[in-house]
Amino acid sequence: QQQVKQSPQSLIVQKGGIPIINCAYENTAFDYFPWYQQFPGKGPALLIAIRPDVSEKKEGRFTISFNKSAKQFSLHIMDSQPGDSATYFCAASVAAGNKLTFGGGTRVLVKP
Amino acid sequence: KAGVTQTPRYLIKTRGQQVTLSCSPISGHRSVSWYQQTPGQGLQFLFEYFSETQRNKGNFPGRFSGRQFSNSRSEMNVSTLELGDSALYLCASSLGGENQPQHFGDGTRLSIL
Repeated sequence: QQQVKQSPQSLIVQKGGIPIINCAYENTAFDYFPWYQQFPGKGPALLIAIRPDVSEKKEGRFTISFNKSAKQFSLHIMDSQPGDSATYFCAASVAAGNKLTFGGGTRVLVKP
Repeated sequence: KAGVTQTPRYLIKTRGQQVTLSCSPISGHRSVSWYQQTPGQGLQFLFEYFSETQRNKGNFPGRFSGRQFSNSRSEMNVSTLELGDSALYLCASSLGGENQPQHFGDGTRLSIL
């Protein structure tokens, strides 16, 4: 019940396109949902996070949409750039601790 | 403000040996968590330390252990290394309160021969 499922595993878009990454969870105790971006040779970097009482959150070109009833959340990268090419991870945790459960990751390639 | 620092960046060990990895958190952060990243299993939580006490633990065997010092620096130890322990080991730090953002270091790449 701790699993977070992420899709797709990889996607390719043209510059300016909008990659969309989806995640689904089962544990209804999860109440914090961060997204991380990871470049080769680097650790994951926190992009944006959302809590279940909010249906959408934007930070720059990154938008999270959250559907509590469906237990799904997604990341949209607006006006994507080649520099956004990276692996993206969704995650979830319970308020009482810092144990992050990660999705499997999505490798995004933005072509110039 | 300096980020999370992990040392060493790379390690090569042989089966049966033990290894100690080090993590210095962001100044002021009291929580340190450790994760293992592999191509097959992805990112998996090992354990979290807060104020020198283990607060959360993942599903790893007892060969994996850790500790935290009074200055919040943390070490992770793996004993009796197995080939399957080859991975990127990541450390993340946070202030320690509920759902505080966790910031990761660049990891230690451990290779077992």
